[in-house]
Amino acid sequence: AQKITQTQPGMFVQEKEAVTLDCTYDTSDPSYGLFWYKQPSSGEMIFLIYQGSYDQQNATEGRYSLNFQKARKSANLVISASQLGDSAMYFCAMREPDQGAQKLVFGQGTRLTINP
Amino acid sequence: SAVISQKPSRDICQRGTSLTIQCQVDSQVTMMFWYRQQPGQSLTLIATANQGSEATYESGFVIDKFPISRPNLTFSTLTVSNMSPEDSSIYLCSVEGDRANYGYTFGSGTRLTVV
Repeated sequence: AQKITQTQPGMFVQEKEAVTLDCTYDTSDPSYGLFWYKQPSSGEMIFLIYQGSYDQQNATEGRYSLNFQKARKSANLVISASQLGDSAMYFCAMREPDQGAQKLVFGQGTRLTINP
Repeated sequence: SAVISQKPSRDICQRGTSLTIQCQVDSQVTMMFWYRQQPGQSLTLIATANQGSEATYESGFVIDKFPISRPNLTFSTLTVSNMSPEDSSIYLCSVEGDRANYGYTFGSGTRLTVV
């Protein structure tokens, strides 16, 4: 069963608009972490933001914020005031303990294109 | 957070040959993770490498095809053996951050093309 689901294969947004990238997850473990990564065409994986399952507040990092709705098992990434350089693939990932290894499981990704 | 040096950055290989990918971390880490990213796809975990023990492989990946070495706490290699065009992918290594909110650090990736 898919543990991380990103339902938007592609998103097109006008520059300076805010954009929300969806992510839902599935786990029965009460302790887990959620991550968002950006992958530009160069292929590098750039860490954006983290949300722990016990965190009371939504995570924020500059223009990035995470809309964490635990009961709905969703962890949507919000990018405010989008820029042309935000065009990239975005991956949601979850870490859960698995026999001592803290593995990351990734969603399918969303390709974000910012139009001028 | 840790810095990872991954080599080679890209290679074009003949089918039936093997390629060894290296990852060097600038600090000691317990676990290293190896991922495969097929063209247009997401990242799939191949195996988890612990120093001093055999790597733990995910379903669908076997040691004969993807042997991994982990001789010390800062270094690991992944070999892609007896390659076929289906092995053409980006291969990435990764380590966990010192703190959860630092995220996992990834190497810059090895873009492999098998012809």
